[in-house]
Order: sequence, then C-alpha cells, then structure tokens
Amino acid sequence: GENVEQHPSTLSVQEGDSAVIKCTYSDSASNYFPWYKQELGKGPQLIIDIRSNVGEKKDQRIAVTLNKTAKHFSLHITETQPEDSAVYFCAARGNAGGTSYGKLTFGQGTILTVHP
Amino acid sequence: DAGVIQSPRHEVTEMGQEVTLRCKPISGHNSLFWYRQTMMRGLELLIYFNNNVPIDDSGMPEDRFSAKMPNASFSTLKIQPSEPRDSAVYFCASSSTGKAYEQYFGPGTRLTVT
Repeated sequence: GENVEQHPSTLSVQEGDSAVIKCTYSDSASNYFPWYKQELGKGPQLIIDIRSNVGEKKDQRIAVTLNKTAKHFSLHITETQPEDSAVYFCAARGNAGGTSYGKLTFGQGTILTVHP
Repeated sequence: DAGVIQSPRHEVTEMGQEVTLRCKPISGHNSLFWYRQTMMRGLELLIYFNNNVPIDDSGMPEDRFSAKMPNASFSTLKIQPSEPRDSAVYFCASSSTGKAYEQYFGPGTRLTVT
C-alpha cells in the first residue's frame, strides 16, 4: 500500500518568514495530493491540493509543488502569520483502479509555530 | 452548509462498555470516511462507504469495531466492548462524486476509555 513520509515533524519560524514542509510517497500510481491544516480541537481542514497532471499550484500565500519523478511534494507558506500556527498534514490518494473514490494515506504531520 | 456533523463531541466510558459514534455527512455527498487519530499512529482510515455501501474496511482494527451507513445522511461507528487502547479522536469525513478527491472532515469525537 501507499506510504507517505513527512518532514520536518516540527517547524518554528518568525512571523514574515517562509515555511516549507516536504512529503514523499511510495505509490507511483497516486494521483492526488492534498494538504490539511488542523487547529487544536478541530478536524483537519483542506487548504490546498494538487493533481498529478500539474506541477505547481498557488493560492495566495500558500503553494504546493509536485515532482512525480522523484515522488515528492511540498507545501510552501510565504509571509507567515501567527494564525498559520497549526499542525499540517500531507496526504496521497491511490489510483484505486480508476474508480472515483480512493483512500487517502496521511503523513505524520508537522507542527508549525509562527512566532510574532 | 452545516458541514460534517459528529456526535457526541466527547465520550468517556468504562472498559467493556459499548460506544456508538455518529456522523451526518454534508448533504449531497455520497462518500463517507471514518478515521482515527492518535499521537502514536497519526490519522488512520478505518472504513469508507460509497453510496452507503462499505468499500474498504481493511483499516478496522478488529471485530470489536463495526460501522454502518443505513442511509445517505447518517453513519455510525460502534465499538463493543471498548478497551483503553481505543482512546483516540475519531473523525468522520465526506466527499461528493463530483469532487470525489476532496474530503471534508467533521470536528471529531474525543473518546476516552478508562
């Protein structure tokens, strides 16, 4: 099955700096890579995603890049703010034989702390 | 939209008792997922349904766990009998066929088994 590794496990930055979180996956057939933000006491919230036919996607201060050859993808947050502090999870979705539903395999999470 | 609704938000029970967690997916969504989150194992998929039919239950830890989806707007996850190692946060998520990749999570149920 799919295996997703996420690094670093903790990341501390100053407000205004950039933050980068990296993930690798094992299944070359995986075709969808979402990123979730989880605040304390809440469920994971989808913040950005990328499909395997795209190399980069950007939404305001966040961006995701995908390298299919190397089987890794990254989350980039620019101009970080204290409210960006949370746990971030990457995930990969297997191809599930071409069906429209496939399970997500999550990374272990990164605790991001943005210091004012 | 109300989002995914889970109840109860917190459950404390004694070992050996039956526990039932409930989930109402987003209206119109036809896939539903149950996850368990612990510090040691992270987010694990337990089971998922498509159009009320269980598709993959390979993540269900053992026979003490069961899940049902009697209709498109309701699902339950039952643990009987519960054990202290079942203590975790249980999340329900849903997605729609049109955007089958995007899963939206509920707020979770924090289960403590003493």
